[in-house]
Amino acid sequence: AQSVTQLGSHVSVSEGALVLLRCNYSSSVPPYLFWYVQYPNQGLQLLLKYTTGATLVKGINGFEAEFKKSETSFHLTKPSAHMSDAAEYFCAVINSGGYQKVTFGTGTKLQVIP
Amino acid sequence: EAEVAQSPRYKITEKSQAVAFWCDPISGHATLYWYRQILGQGPELLVQFQDESVVDDSQLPKDRFSAERLKGVDSTLKIQPAELGDSAMYLCASSPGLGSNQPQHFGDGTRLSIL
Repeated sequence: AQSVTQLGSHVSVSEGALVLLRCNYSSSVPPYLFWYVQYPNQGLQLLLKYTTGATLVKGINGFEAEFKKSETSFHLTKPSAHMSDAAEYFCAVINSGGYQKVTFGTGTKLQVIP
Repeated sequence: EAEVAQSPRYKITEKSQAVAFWCDPISGHATLYWYRQILGQGPELLVQFQDESVVDDSQLPKDRFSAERLKGVDSTLKIQPAELGDSAMYLCASSPGLGSNQPQHFGDGTRLSIL
């Protein structure tokens, strides 16, 4: 069975500060990993994905994430937070076999303080 | 505006009533998902279709929930009778097809409130 753990249901950063949102996963097969962002009363929007190849992936809005197999982690970072980054962020894992079964983390709400 | 269309955006109904949600995925996407998202939690998969066939409905409360995708295009999720605990956001997503590296595209969801 696969699972996703997001440490910290709420994270607050100052505008211009580093954003670090943590995601750890467990999977019995090589995983594919995703980060999504959700604004209030909207659906989820893909930020970035890791499937194969380079372990550092860049996404939209200046976000990036690094897949670390030894740590079973896929943390999301952004060098400098902007007010518009305030939203909820979800990490998701998909098994690489069979049909596309997705498991989402419980989410981290990011607050950006001016 | 999301590429996956959902309606209605908001629904308020009384418990014991029937309610239905509609989803139109991105054209050509073979895989369609219905999720339930309770406030403060991540999306929980209710049902997954591959074309018109259900490939996973293990978390769908089948005594009151039903889902169909008759022609393998748009889909309807129904609840009858609705209960207070069904209040949540219902999200539809689609992806091109089987293949684990394909991200899902989400609609804006239907927020359901049961009175």
